[in-house]
Amino acid sequence: QQQVKQSPQSLIVQKGGISIINCAYENTAFDYFPWYQQFPGKGPALLIAIRPDVSEKKEGRFTISFNKSAKQFSLHIMDSQPGDSATYFCAASFYSGTYKYIFGTGTRLKVLA
Amino acid sequence: DAGVTQSPTHLIKTRGQQVTLRCSPKSGHDTVSWYQQALGQGPQFIFQYYEEEERQRGNFPDRFSGHQFPNYSSELNVNALLLGDSALYLCASSSGTGAPGYTFGSGTRLTVV
Repeated sequence: QQQVKQSPQSLIVQKGGISIINCAYENTAFDYFPWYQQFPGKGPALLIAIRPDVSEKKEGRFTISFNKSAKQFSLHIMDSQPGDSATYFCAASFYSGTYKYIFGTGTRLKVLA
Repeated sequence: DAGVTQSPTHLIKTRGQQVTLRCSPKSGHDTVSWYQQALGQGPQFIFQYYEEEERQRGNFPDRFSGHQFPNYSSELNVNALLLGDSALYLCASSSGTGAPGYTFGSGTRLTVV
């Protein structure tokens, strides 16, 4: 119940295309869903996050779509660029005295120039 | 404004040895969480420190222990190292007020031989 399932494991997209990464969860107590971007040799960096009372959140080229009834959320990267090539992690968290994150297994994105 | 700093960046240890990893949180943050990221996997929660006490713990054995100092910096100690402890160890800082949102450091790459 504490798992977050992420797909696909890897993704190759042409420059200018749309990258879509999906995540699913079981625990309905989760109330915060961030996406992190990680470059080789670096720690994860927060990209964008959403709470379940909102169905979509957009920040620049990055959009989270959230489907509470299906317990799924996804990251869309519009106009994908070679600089977006990185590993992306979804995560889920709920407050129980503090927040701790349950991470997905990651998606390695490669954007071809 | 310095982010989360971790030291050392890399180290190699022998099975059975002990290791100490260090973390300084982002300015203004008072909570430190430690995560283990095995190669090709998402980060796994080890534990979290707030007000110099362990506030939450993940599914890790007692060989993993930590400490938080009055200046909010933290140490992660691992005793009796196993080959399977080889991973990237990430420190994340946040505000203890309960607001979500981690800032991760770049991690310490531990190799156990």
